[in-house]
This record gives sequence, structure tokens and C-alpha cells, in this order.
Amino acid sequence: EVQLVESGGGLVQPGGSLRLSCIPSGLTLRDYDMDWVRQAPGKGLEWIGRYRNKGNSLTTEYAASVKGRFTISRDDSKNSLYLQMNSLNTEDTAVYYCARGKIRCGSTNCWNDGFDIWGQGTMVTVSP
Amino acid sequence: DIQLTQSPSFLSASIGDRVTITCRASQGINTLLAWYQQKPGKAPRFLIYAASTLQSGVPSRFSGSGSGTEFTLTITSLQPEDFATYYCQQLNSYPFTFGGGTTVEIK
Repeated sequence: EVQLVESGGGLVQPGGSLRLSCIPSGLTLRDYDMDWVRQAPGKGLEWIGRYRNKGNSLTTEYAASVKGRFTISRDDSKNSLYLQMNSLNTEDTAVYYCARGKIRCGSTNCWNDGFDIWGQGTMVTVSP
Repeated sequence: DIQLTQSPSFLSASIGDRVTITCRASQGINTLLAWYQQKPGKAPRFLIYAASTLQSGVPSRFSGSGSGTEFTLTITSLQPEDFATYYCQQLNSYPFTFGGGTTVEIK
């Protein structure tokens, strides 16, 4: 069974940093685009960023709310995905999920279909 | 950024009811829309992609339709396990925005 497991969440003070990890079982991260999504307590889902696979030039995309503060990276030797979060503020308090991007390709184009596998999430609390 | 507006935000329904949730995009997104189901304390579950294609393992009582700016998720004959919050998501362009969610509650 394919699974994603996040870790690294916890309590951090405003202005602090935290690094989350996403470790899969049953899949090789370098074969997929991978995303991070968060959900503040009692709120909806917010996409925060993507790490594209080699076929997509190993580039990243970020939501405006985290750009310049958060960095997504991948270590192929460890088959692990990371979310480095800096300059945290109280609005970053949320459950953070990693998810696998499902991509469908035709003869000349590819399309993003959604996120077909999700981890269980890890809670990040930013508080004085 | 593309905004997604879901309606209603909440709905009460009974077992066996037919339920329809609407998702409107602020600009055209072709059929690059996905639907998710989320239960309290759990990760979202991927239900539908490309607006109308059922993900493997999802019951056939779920269906999706639409293109451009207006989309619907329909659940025919609501089952006890379907009481949850449903989100739409556009994948036409970054950032991949989600709708605000629709909570389906037991009447």
C-alpha cells in the first residue's frame, strides 16, 4: 500500500523555524510532483507549494502567503520530501499535509488532475 | 489567482437523499477541477478529477459534471459514510486553489 508519513510538527515561537518531512512507502518521490497543503484549525484547505519532478525541471511553485519564507526540497538518496518553514507567524498554525500530484499526459500535453495520495498530516502551532 | 466559490456552505440531508454541491470558478478552468471528501481529523480523500472522472475505488453514487466556470458534485442516495466536508480544487493554474468547503450534515 502506498503511504505518505509527515513528521516534524510541533510548537514554535513567532519568528522561529521548523522543518517538516514527508517520507513515503511504496513509491519513489522522484517519479512524481509532490505538494504541501495546510489546514488551519476549523478552516478549509490551502495549497502552499509544489516540488515538480525531473520531467518538470525540478522546479518549485509556492502560494503567495508563504513565498520567500517556505522552501520545498527533496533528497532522493533518502526518498524524502521536506518543507522548511522560516519566519513563522501565528497564521501559519495548521495541520500540514504532503500529497502526491496525479498528472495525466496525452501525446503532447500533460494535465494536473489533483492529489491522489495524502499523508495523515502533522500539526504546527506557532505561539508565544 | 482563481477563486472557487462553493455553495451551499452547509447542508442538512437524510439518508437516501440526492445531494448537489456547486463550485464556481472566477475564470474558466476547462475541466481541470477535482473534488475531495474530508472527515473530521482525517486527511482529504480524492474523489473526482477532470471534473467528472471518478477516482478508482470511489462509489458510483458520486458523480461530477461541468466545465469552464461552473461545476457540480452530486451524491445520489446519500449513505451514512458520506456525511463529511467536500472541497473542490482547480488545477488549471498556480496557485492550486480550493473552494471553501461544503459540510454535509445529518438532518
